[in-house]
Amino acid sequence: AQKVTQAQTEISVVEKEDVTLDCVYETRDTTYYLFWYKQPPSGELVFLIRRNSFDEQNEISGRYSWNFQKSTSSFNFTITASQVVDSAVYFCALYFLQGAQKLVFGQGTRLTINP
Amino acid sequence: DAGVTQSPTHLIKTRGQQVTLRCSPKSGHDTVSWYQQALGQGPQFIFQYYEEEERQRGNFPDRFSGHQFPNYSSELNVNALLLGDSALYLCASSSAVGSYNEQFFGPGTRLTVL
Repeated sequence: AQKVTQAQTEISVVEKEDVTLDCVYETRDTTYYLFWYKQPPSGELVFLIRRNSFDEQNEISGRYSWNFQKSTSSFNFTITASQVVDSAVYFCALYFLQGAQKLVFGQGTRLTINP
Repeated sequence: DAGVTQSPTHLIKTRGQQVTLRCSPKSGHDTVSWYQQALGQGPQFIFQYYEEEERQRGNFPDRFSGHQFPNYSSELNVNALLLGDSALYLCASSSAVGSYNEQFFGPGTRLTVL
């Protein structure tokens, strides 16, 4: 089975708090990519990060950081010192290189940052 | 460099009608994928077109069909609309060249079926 689970449906925090969005995936493939996308109210999916299955190094980009742990099949996303502009729906997705070259998305986490 | 464009932006139809959605891929891209995103859900893969043929298909009924033109643009057609077809339809384009085919998404077409 190929599946992405984002157990947190909605998260609400106060501005400047740190927040972590969880993502757990299932796949039997050994080669795959993991993604995070941001979807603001306008609807367009904004690419945030891509990580391949062979690269377990954590990554930091400004206030964003990602923790990829193959042993637990997780790819969590942390926003440090959150801002109101971070409010959006965030999707974790799995991409397969073999067979159907498609993205399998989680159900998304709606993040609300309150001033 | 224009990104992925979709038209129309919004559409309202009634049950039983047919609808056509359009997508123009990013310059240099030759592959188009369509996704359906129901309210409160993640996008679900409908199908993918490459070289004017349907290459892969998700778990969607035959009422959903598509087409790709020689200029790589694509159409998504939905026949006999149901209330449950109300969703945001996203188009993504990519290039078949290379081992990894990053998908760039358009802004979507929001379809409402009454």
